[in-house]
Amino acid sequence: DAKTTQPNSMESNEEEPVHLPCNHSTISGTDYIHWYRQLPSQGPEYVIHGLTSNVNNRMASLAIAEDRKSSTLILHRATLRDAAVYYCILITGFQKLVFGTGTRLLVSP
Amino acid sequence: KAGVTQTPRYLIKTRGQQVTLSCSPISGHRSVSWYQQTPGQGLQFLFEYFSETQRNKGNFPGRFSGRQFSNSRSEMNVSTLELGDSALYLCASSWVGLAGVETQYFGPGTRLLVL
Repeated sequence: DAKTTQPNSMESNEEEPVHLPCNHSTISGTDYIHWYRQLPSQGPEYVIHGLTSNVNNRMASLAIAEDRKSSTLILHRATLRDAAVYYCILITGFQKLVFGTGTRLLVSP
Repeated sequence: KAGVTQTPRYLIKTRGQQVTLSCSPISGHRSVSWYQQTPGQGLQFLFEYFSETQRNKGNFPGRFSGRQFSNSRSEMNVSTLELGDSALYLCASSWVGLAGVETQYFGPGTRLLVL
C-alpha cells in the first residue's frame, strides 16, 4: 500500500483559509489522491480526489504538485464545522482504503 | 437519496458471545466495505463485498466474517468476542465514478463494547 505522510495536527481561525499538506513520495502513476474527513462521532466523509490536475468542488480544492509527490487540500474559509481529522489516501482501482493517522484540524472562533 | 444506515448503533456484549451487525448501502451502490476503528489502531479495513462476493479482505482473524445479500445489504459477524473487539464498526458503500474511481460513503457506525 502506498504511504502518505501528514502532520498530526493543525490549527486555524474561523473564516481563514487552511492548507492541509500530504506527502506521498512513493505514489505510482495509477494512484488517485483521495481526501476524506471524519467529524467527531461520525463516519468518514469523502471530500475530494484527483490524479494530476488541480480539482475544485463545493467543499474544497486539491492542489497536486507537478511531480505528484505531494498534494494540498485547501479549505478556502474554515468554519467550526470543518474541525475534523483529515485523511489523505492513495487508491488505485478497486483497492481498499488504507487510512493513516490523518491531520486533526482545530478551528477557533 | 438516503445515506448508508447501520444497525444497531450501540451494542454491549460479553466475551465469548457472537454479534451480527447490519449495513444498508445507498440505493444503487453494489459495493459494501467494513472497517474497524479503535483509538489504538485507527481505521482498519476488514473486507469488501461486491455483487455478493468478497472482493477484498484485510488482515483480521477468521472470527470476523461477512456476507452480502442480493439487494446489496450486508452483514458482518464476529464470533467468540474478545475485549479487543470493542470498537466502532463502520460500513461504507461505493459507486464507481468517472475513470473507474470509487468514492466511498460511510454510515454512522455501530459502537460495540465487549465486557
